[in-house]
Amino acid sequence: GENVEQHPSTLSVQEGDSAVIKCTYSDSASNYFPWYKQELGKRPQLIIDIRSNVGEKKDQRIAVTLNKTAKHFSLHITETQPEDSAVYFCAAHDSGGGADGLTFGKGTHLIIQP
Amino acid sequence: SAVISQKPSRDICQRGTSLTIQCQVDSQVTMMFWYRQQPGQSLTLIATANQGSEATYESGFVIDKFPISRPNLTFSTLTVSNMSPEDSSIYLCSVAGKETQYFGPGTRLLVL
Repeated sequence: GENVEQHPSTLSVQEGDSAVIKCTYSDSASNYFPWYKQELGKRPQLIIDIRSNVGEKKDQRIAVTLNKTAKHFSLHITETQPEDSAVYFCAAHDSGGGADGLTFGKGTHLIIQP
Repeated sequence: SAVISQKPSRDICQRGTSLTIQCQVDSQVTMMFWYRQQPGQSLTLIATANQGSEATYESGFVIDKFPISRPNLTFSTLTVSNMSPEDSSIYLCSVAGKETQYFGPGTRLLVL
């Protein structure tokens, strides 16, 4: 099955700086890569996603890049703000057997320092 | 996106007992999933709830421990059976929309 590695586990940046979170996946058949933001005590919320036929996608301050050859994808947040502080999870769609759901990375705790 | 609700939102249970968690969606969806999120950890897929057939379980999860029902396209239940303290987690249902998966608010379970 799919295996997703996510780094770093904790990331602290100054407000206004950029943050980058990186993930790698193992299953070359995976074709869908969402990113979720989870605030304390709340459900994961989709913030951006990318499919394997696209190399980059941007939505205001958030962008995601995908390198299918290297099997890695990254989340970029520019001009960070205090409300960006949360845990971020990358995921890959497990298109193989089993339950056909999402396989998640272990998460990155992003801390925005004022 | 679909509106997803779960009941109960939280519960405290004694070991050896069972708890059934309900997930209701405001529209018909083909794919529903159940995830577990242990304290401070990531989300792990338990199973896909298939309408009209048996659930499909991920490695490490079995039907006897986590029986699932999916009687129609808007509702599913997950039962955590014969609970132990290791089952203390947040259990989230998820539905697949047109483009991605959306999560319910979760059920926070504490087993004593």
